[in-house]
Amino acid sequence: GEDVEQSLFLSVREGDSSVINCTYTDSSSTYLYWYKQEPGAGLQLLTYIFSNMDMKQDQRLTVLLNKKDKHLSLRIADTQTGDSAIYFCAIYGSGNTGKLIFGQGTTLQVKP
Amino acid sequence: EAQVTQNPRYLITVTGKKLTVTCSQNMNHEYMSWYRQDPGLGLRQIYYSMNVEVTDKGDVPEGYKVSRKEKRNFPLILESPSPNQTSLYFCASSQRQGRDEQFFGPGTRLTVL
Repeated sequence: GEDVEQSLFLSVREGDSSVINCTYTDSSSTYLYWYKQEPGAGLQLLTYIFSNMDMKQDQRLTVLLNKKDKHLSLRIADTQTGDSAIYFCAIYGSGNTGKLIFGQGTTLQVKP
Repeated sequence: EAQVTQNPRYLITVTGKKLTVTCSQNMNHEYMSWYRQDPGLGLRQIYYSMNVEVTDKGDVPEGYKVSRKEKRNFPLILESPSPNQTSLYFCASSQRQGRDEQFFGPGTRLTVL
């Protein structure tokens, strides 16, 4: 079955760029997603990319998709302390279950 | 405001005491799903529902039941909770399965002693 992998922790200084990486084993998912989870809160859809795109930019966020290498990344420019959270990449699994397959989540720590 | 609500948000209980976590959405979504989140494992699907009276097992259904009698509600039932069900639970909904954004509830943190 499909699998999604992320590194567990990233620490950056305020004002630097953050890059969170994600790899997946297979995907027929039309969209690939990035969710953000702030401490004690639920999951918020941060951004997504259509599977036939290579890049999507949304203000401080840039999503890159390399389908050949099955690699997805999220770049946050000018990282702020308010960006400290857990970031999950997610894809839809094959079959008809509507299941989102999540990576383990990357904890982003932003130091002032 | 479009949202998914869950209750309770926090619950501490003892082994074997039946409990229900409610989930409700106000977006008229057909698809609803339950996930559990455990450290280092991401989120795993427990059960899902394509529509009223249509439910099916996800990846980790053991020890859980669900029902979908109305479109807006999708309760998660633990008939006899055990400590390995201590987790953070999320309910989600989307208009169609497998294509649209899934909206998540705020989560229910359950501790089973």
